Amino acid sequence: KAGVTQTPRYLIKTRGQQVTLSCSPISGHRSVSWYQQTPGQGLQFLFEYFSETQRNKGNFPGRFSGRQFSNSRSEMNVSTLELGDSALYLCASNDVAGGKKTQYFGPGTRLLVL
Amino acid sequence: DQQVKQNSPSLSVQEGRISILNCDYTNSMFDYFLWYKKYPAEGPTFLISISSIKDKNEDGRFTVFLNKSAKHLSLHIVPSQPGDSAVYFCAAHEGGGADGLTFGKGTHLIIQP
Repeated sequence: KAGVTQTPRYLIKTRGQQVTLSCSPISGHRSVSWYQQTPGQGLQFLFEYFSETQRNKGNFPGRFSGRQFSNSRSEMNVSTLELGDSALYLCASNDVAGGKKTQYFGPGTRLLVL
Repeated sequence: DQQVKQNSPSLSVQEGRISILNCDYTNSMFDYFLWYKKYPAEGPTFLISISSIKDKNEDGRFTVFLNKSAKHLSLHIVPSQPGDSAVYFCAAHEGGGADGLTFGKGTHLIIQP
């Protein structure tokens, strides 16, 4: 089975711009979660999608948004970029069985905002 | 408020010895716990998990222990190998919830030759 793919792997943007990141989950997985990882804060939950519906959202401003398509691929968008948005953005493909969620992560997209 | 805590930012262990990584949690609703390993510039890799109905789960060199009364879990790696050098994250999940996993801030394990 192919793993989780994320594109692009690296991105440099300037303040005020917007960015779109893409994630393709493991085949057969219908749920995707997004996280932001920064050195000081660890992994912080952004949002989760299941069958094209956002199920939950973490404590991030409205500049962070996402969506999921019918083929389970997901995108996240950050508008009006700020310097503090520089981070590794991780997508996880969710395997849920019996209420137990195991997440399989992609390699991440490293975003640098200048 | 940090619900999952890994109090040791780093741990140094000699090759061949046992590595013990610790994790504490505060949310009694968590019922599923996972450990992930992360190399620089890569996403976390799932290692091992444990359900709250168990107190031990083993997979090869990796064993996770859960002490529900103390709200504490630990990951044992025996024997430790150089390739085990990485950052280890403890994560927890509340069954049936749509929330993501709640992660600790990680422990950097360094295996010394």
